Amino acid sequence: DGGITQSPKYLFRKEGQNVTLSCEQNLNHDAMYWYRQDPGQGLRLIYYSQIVNDFQKGDIAEGYSVSREKKESFPLTVTSAQKNPTAFYLCASSMWGEESPLHFGNGTRLTVT
Amino acid sequence: ILNVEQSPQSLHVQEGDSTNFTCSFPSSNFYALHWYRWETAKSPEALFVMTLNGDEKKKGRISATLNTKEGYSYLYIKGSQPEDSATYLCASPEAAVNKLTFGGGTRVLVKP
Repeated sequence: DGGITQSPKYLFRKEGQNVTLSCEQNLNHDAMYWYRQDPGQGLRLIYYSQIVNDFQKGDIAEGYSVSREKKESFPLTVTSAQKNPTAFYLCASSMWGEESPLHFGNGTRLTVT
Repeated sequence: ILNVEQSPQSLHVQEGDSTNFTCSFPSSNFYALHWYRWETAKSPEALFVMTLNGDEKKKGRISATLNTKEGYSYLYIKGSQPEDSATYLCASPEAAVNKLTFGGGTRVLVKP
């Protein structure tokens, strides 16, 4: 079954610690994305990647970092520099092009205390 | 950042009734308009990707229209059922790349 796997589903961290969220896809998609959702707000783009070893900042990249060493994987690190890290994080993938729909994972809920 | 807006934020619909809601987006430099359905405890799933002015797409009881000249799209649900309860998101890409900006969503609750 093709799809996107995000892990873990829930993640708890202490303030000041970096944490990495996993995202793996087996859809052979070129592009991958990280979105963040906060209560009452729409999805906001953190980072996106069109091809391996290349990625671009989205609208709210500060305090986050990513890597794209393999086509299948696009991990997101939430660093201690991110001021409000508690949120719901969604990973997505697509073929490249504005007409290609996004396929989403089930998300990771991160709580930082 | 594109300005993509959806209205209303939420609506309650009686089972069997039809409903519709709006997505507005910048009409200049338009590339595409995406609609997604996001059910509770599931991941968002794509409903439609629309590119042509006047385009109309249909999937079961759900349909969407697109007006790129005035910058809006309507999503219609005909004969709403409880399983239609979800948040419906629209999104538009910035430039000719798939960097989507999402609206805030319309949360639909269908009451039996």
